[in-house]
Amino acid sequence: GQQLNQSPQSMFIQEGEDVSMNCTSSSIFNTWLWYKQEPGEGPVLLIALYKAGELTSNGRLTAQFGITRKDSFLNISASIPSDVGIYFCAGRETSYDKVIFGPGTSLSVIP
Amino acid sequence: DTGVSQNPRHKITKRGQNVTFRCDPISEHNRLYWYRQTLGQGPEFLTYFQNEAQLEKSRLLSDRFSAERPKGSFSTLEIQRTEQGDSAMYLCASSFAKGNTIYFGEGSWLTVV
Repeated sequence: GQQLNQSPQSMFIQEGEDVSMNCTSSSIFNTWLWYKQEPGEGPVLLIALYKAGELTSNGRLTAQFGITRKDSFLNISASIPSDVGIYFCAGRETSYDKVIFGPGTSLSVIP
Repeated sequence: DTGVSQNPRHKITKRGQNVTFRCDPISEHNRLYWYRQTLGQGPEFLTYFQNEAQLEKSRLLSDRFSAERPKGSFSTLEIQRTEQGDSAMYLCASSFAKGNTIYFGEGSWLTVV
């Protein structure tokens, strides 16, 4: 079945450092979504990508839709303590309507 | 519009009892999704509706689970004869029919004791 993999599983970084995480799928996707989730809350949409090669920014966050359509990455520049949380990638496979999620990357920022 | 709304936010129930969660989607959105999330995992798809029609159900959705969206607006997710393994956060999300971006509510936590 459809499956997404995210790496790394967790990250511990110093405040001010840049962060990079990625997501890969076993099949071609037509949409990639990146969400952030904080404890006890629902996922909050950060960036949506709809075309292969698309590069989109949202403040200090930048995400790209891989040209193979099987991967995406998210970069966070100059991390701050409020970036702490779990980052999920999600995507929609071309032949399905549902959106599936990766297992998440847990980010910890050390002040 | 204040986004996707879910209630109750928390529910503790005894094993064997029935529970029902409600979701009010963003008002212009035709599609409504239910997901389940356990600690340390990403959300797992359960089912989705387009208007009042339930278009897809995951194999995760056992016959103890039923979801409805009778008027194409709010939805309910009922779990009958709850088991301890049902303990999770149940997330609702909505989107436009043709849109690819889904927006989540804050989730409903279920603890089965």
